[in-house]
Amino acid sequence: NAGVTQTPKFQVLKTGQSMTLQCAQDMNHEYMSWYRQDPGMGLRLIHYSVGAGITDQGEVPNGYNVSRSTTEDFPLRLLSAAPSQTSVYFCASSYDTPGTGNGELFFGEGSRLTVL
Amino acid sequence: DQQVKQNSPSLSVQEGRISILNCDYTNSMFDYFLWYKKYPAEGPTFLISISSIKDKNEDGRFTVFLNKSAKHLSLHIVPSQPGDSAVYFCAAPGGTSYGKLTFGQGTILTVHP
Repeated sequence: NAGVTQTPKFQVLKTGQSMTLQCAQDMNHEYMSWYRQDPGMGLRLIHYSVGAGITDQGEVPNGYNVSRSTTEDFPLRLLSAAPSQTSVYFCASSYDTPGTGNGELFFGEGSRLTVL
Repeated sequence: DQQVKQNSPSLSVQEGRISILNCDYTNSMFDYFLWYKKYPAEGPTFLISISSIKDKNEDGRFTVFLNKSAKHLSLHIVPSQPGDSAVYFCAAPGGTSYGKLTFGQGTILTVHP
């Protein structure tokens, strides 16, 4: 099993450009989510999905779009990149929703995004 | 909503001694708490969890304690090893619904040989 795979690992964008961060998991997990990590801020939830066709907003959703057409994939779209979106992005999945006994999150290795 | 606070940004410990990392939360609507460990340039990995039906959970050198009345968690590492040097995050379910896991700011643990 590859677990949670994120691409690309590194990306540099100019302000206003759009791009998609890819996330795929091969564990047949229903729950998937995107976090961003910034210094001193911990991990902040952007969007999450409890199953194919269902998405919801997290703590910091503005400027990001998601969709979940399959169980395996959960791409994160930056619509018009801004310097404030410079961050490390982590995709995570779990068998069950967080807060339950099987809600342990498995994380990808991260995608480092720089917006100039 | 849920807030999770780790008030110590960093902790430095000698090898072989105990490391104690602390975490406070605000909303006890859900009763399952987790600790994650993160090395540089890697994703966080699950370390240990605790349900509110317990006040202690052990896994080898790692023990998590839960004080529900104080809404406080602590992670004890005994004995600490240099390989334990990492960022530690505590996490709690969101305040109003399942689906949101809220993380603390993290504590950087450095274990000196």
